[in-house]
Amino acid sequence: SQELEQSPQSLIVQEGKNLTINCTSSKTLYGLYWYKQKYGEGLIFLMMLQKGGEEKSHEKITAKLDEKKQQSSLHITASQPSHAGIYLCGADKTSGTYKYIFGTGTRLKVLA
Amino acid sequence: GAVVSQHPSWVICKSGTSVKIECRSLDFQATTMFWYRQFPKQSLMLMATSNEGSKATYEQGVEKDKFLINHASLTLSTLTVTSAHPEDSSFYICSADYGTINYGYTFGSGTRLTVV
Repeated sequence: SQELEQSPQSLIVQEGKNLTINCTSSKTLYGLYWYKQKYGEGLIFLMMLQKGGEEKSHEKITAKLDEKKQQSSLHITASQPSHAGIYLCGADKTSGTYKYIFGTGTRLKVLA
Repeated sequence: GAVVSQHPSWVICKSGTSVKIECRSLDFQATTMFWYRQFPKQSLMLMATSNEGSKATYEQGVEKDKFLINHASLTLSTLTVTSAHPEDSSFYICSADYGTINYGYTFGSGTRLTVV
């Protein structure tokens, strides 16, 4: 089974609307990363969360990691067409070994 | 910021030939690099972890004799797809681990391989 579950798998929103993408693990994570990708291109690093309860923001994107470090959410405020793409969460599977896993991805489309 | 250069960005080869993909860390040394492959509409799948000066560690199900990885220096890792077949056609991406919170894992731009 997939170790990192993302939801929803795909999302279509009207420009200006807010949206949230979730990333869930059954095990404690030792670093949670959010990336954006346009298909066929390299991943763009958005932000990293390490501490339980941590929250970071960059422009209109906010990411949170829950206290148990098993779930993270990515929230986009007032979405724009430029936000469209595939959002991937990634995580360090074990501490100190950089065993890295990816989520299933969320395909976002923003309608102008 | 840290930059990882991957080359070529796309390649078409005939079945049975070998293809080499390079991944260079331009600004910083990277002791560890990772190689992923991605099929259309799927998430990236880790293939192997490349460590400078030692043998690569392959994920389960990845043939080490088919996907040769060489990490001869702290700025260069190469992936060679040997005796390529059409089912090897995919998008391959490398990433470098700089071990800092600021950069996370910096990724190359990817290589689209088509085997005909």
